[in-house]
Amino acid sequence: AQSVTQPDIHITVSEGASLELRCNYSYGATPYLFWYVQSPGQGLQLLLKYFSGDTLVQGIKGFEAEFKRSQSSFNLRKPSVHWSDAAEYFCAVGEKTSYDKVIFGPGTSLSVIP
Amino acid sequence: KAGVTQTPRYLIKTRGQQVTLSCSPISGHRSVSWYQQTPGQGLQFLFEYFSETQRNKGNFPGRFSGRQFSNSRSEMNVSTLELGDSALYLCASKLEAAGYEQYFGPGTRLTVT
Repeated sequence: AQSVTQPDIHITVSEGASLELRCNYSYGATPYLFWYVQSPGQGLQLLLKYFSGDTLVQGIKGFEAEFKRSQSSFNLRKPSVHWSDAAEYFCAVGEKTSYDKVIFGPGTSLSVIP
Repeated sequence: KAGVTQTPRYLIKTRGQQVTLSCSPISGHRSVSWYQQTPGQGLQFLFEYFSETQRNKGNFPGRFSGRQFSNSRSEMNVSTLELGDSALYLCASKLEAAGYEQYFGPGTRLTVT
């Protein structure tokens, strides 16, 4: 069965510092990968997605992610974090069966120190 | 274009009662999925509806049910509420042709006392 792991439950960074959130997946074929962000009390917003092609994907809000097949990873990065980036971040993988199903990781909570 | 809307946003119920939550998808989206989010279990898939038919179901007891109307609006119902049902219930919609790209609503925060 497909699965997604996010090794870091919680990360704290200083404003202006760089950020990398880790994501590892288990999937037999080429995966469809996503990163979502959830602000407190809100729904999830899609940051970026990888379906195929260039393994470095650009998203909204200055985020990017790199797909590394050899490491089964899809880590999210941002060169300079803003206080407004404090939120919960979810990695997800699309599973192709008779329909399209998305499996979410447990999430990483990001705190930003001013 | 309006986003996914969910009503009500907050709800307090007593153990043993039942509750109905509503979700209106983005115009043109015919697929609606429901998720339960709790601190302990994270995001768990409840079910997906497409063209008024349940297409997929997660591992939840039969107390959790849903339906979809001809206008794609969806409701989920939880009967005989338990304390553990307290959660944020999220609805997501998508265009069928979009594959996996879902758009989420703000959620309904259900508290069971």
